[in-house]
Amino acid sequence: EVQLVESGGGLVQPGQSLRLSCTGSGFTFGDTTMSWVRQAPGKGLEWVGFIRSKTYGGTTENAASVKGRFTISRDDSKKIAYLQMNSLKGEDTAVYYCTCTDSGRYKGAEKYWGQGILVTVSS
Amino acid sequence: DIVMTQSPDSLAVSLGARATINCKSSQSVLYSSNNQNYLAWYQQKPGQSPKVLIYWASTRESGVPDRFSGSGSGTDFTLTISSLQAEDVAVYYCQQYYSTPYTFGQGTKLEIK
Repeated sequence: EVQLVESGGGLVQPGQSLRLSCTGSGFTFGDTTMSWVRQAPGKGLEWVGFIRSKTYGGTTENAASVKGRFTISRDDSKKIAYLQMNSLKGEDTAVYYCTCTDSGRYKGAEKYWGQGILVTVSS
Repeated sequence: DIVMTQSPDSLAVSLGARATINCKSSQSVLYSSNNQNYLAWYQQKPGQSPKVLIYWASTRESGVPDRFSGSGSGTDFTLTISSLQAEDVAVYYCQQYYSTPYTFGQGTKLEIK
């Protein structure tokens, strides 16, 4: 069974940093593109970005709203994907979901989702 | 960026009736080399994570009831629930994964009439 478990959320002040982790199990982590999607309170879904598997270069893509502030990385030996969030703003307040496609795919729908973790940016 | 626009924003349907949600993309999400539409539909029930229902515009995810179906190609897509059940109350989103940023529609809230 595929499982994605996010951790590291919480309350931070504007301008501060936070790192989210996503631990995967039940699938070939190293062959899978790992993504982050967020949802502000009462709002819709917003794609944050992804990191491709090393098969596809391990490259990352990010939404314009987070580019230059958020960085996605991965440690395949630990089966963890990270979302490093710097210079946080109030509008980054959201539930952050870790998601992934089917293993081995270059592109695909977000087949699997974590339970989500809340990040609150407030003074 | 590809803009995804869903209609309607909300929908109330009687139990057992058909529900139809539309999704329009600002540019085609059909990849000509493999004739696949890079379009997915998700269901999000209150307090839960989203769940994929349909991908490649019309492929039903394993375990999804066959009352859910997806259709369309290019820029116009439809999610149909053939006979609405009480457990289908949720917000439904379309998403294109043709090009980054992988954009979502604004969501359609489905309720029981």
